[in-house]
Amino acid sequence: SAVISQKPSRDICQRGTSLTIQCQVDSQVTMMFWYRQQPGQSLTLIATANQGSEATYESGFVIDKFPISRPNLTFSTLTVSNMSPEDSSIYLCSVLKTWTGGSTGELFFGEGSRLTVL
Amino acid sequence: SQQGEEDPQALSIQEGENATMNCSYKTSINNLQWYRQNSGRGLVHLILIRSNEREKHSGRLRVTLDTSKKSSSLLITASRAADTASYFCATDAGGAQKLVFGQGTRLTINP
Repeated sequence: SAVISQKPSRDICQRGTSLTIQCQVDSQVTMMFWYRQQPGQSLTLIATANQGSEATYESGFVIDKFPISRPNLTFSTLTVSNMSPEDSSIYLCSVLKTWTGGSTGELFFGEGSRLTVL
Repeated sequence: SQQGEEDPQALSIQEGENATMNCSYKTSINNLQWYRQNSGRGLVHLILIRSNEREKHSGRLRVTLDTSKKSSSLLITASRAADTASYFCATDAGGAQKLVFGQGTRLTINP
């Protein structure tokens, strides 16, 4: 298993500002994922962050809006830039527990960071 | 677009009853997983079923998978108030070790 700590757990932000969310894992992991969950909705993958390489963004998400750092195998940050009320969501960090068989295994999630943008 | 479609979107039952949630998906998969989310917190993995499995049990949970119909069901038996949560199915149809989540079922267990 993996224990994932996210900070902040929640924040209220002003329009036009930026906020960086931190994700700390208690063990070394290759792949980390950042998801967004808008109010009452399901999870949408923002990007995949691998250590030592640029993050890979999903359709509809761009690096200028959601810059990601992955300086080592236990830590990552997601910045939500130039925020607007539409960015009010829960942002979730997750890591992959990969099967030896190579198929996608289960994900471990942090508790999430609930952002409210006024 | 999301891979999984779940129904019902919301389910409210009495404690002790069984709860059944369904998930349908569109493309071929290697496995399907179910997760629980308590009140806007992080998700917790419940169970994983491989494409060559038809049924799997874990405690009070029973998951079935019908690849011919591209559907899965999650049954929670003898429900408890603590089972109140949102339940999501997820498939690996996203490729490159990515999971795609369904819309979720919000389950309420009434004491």
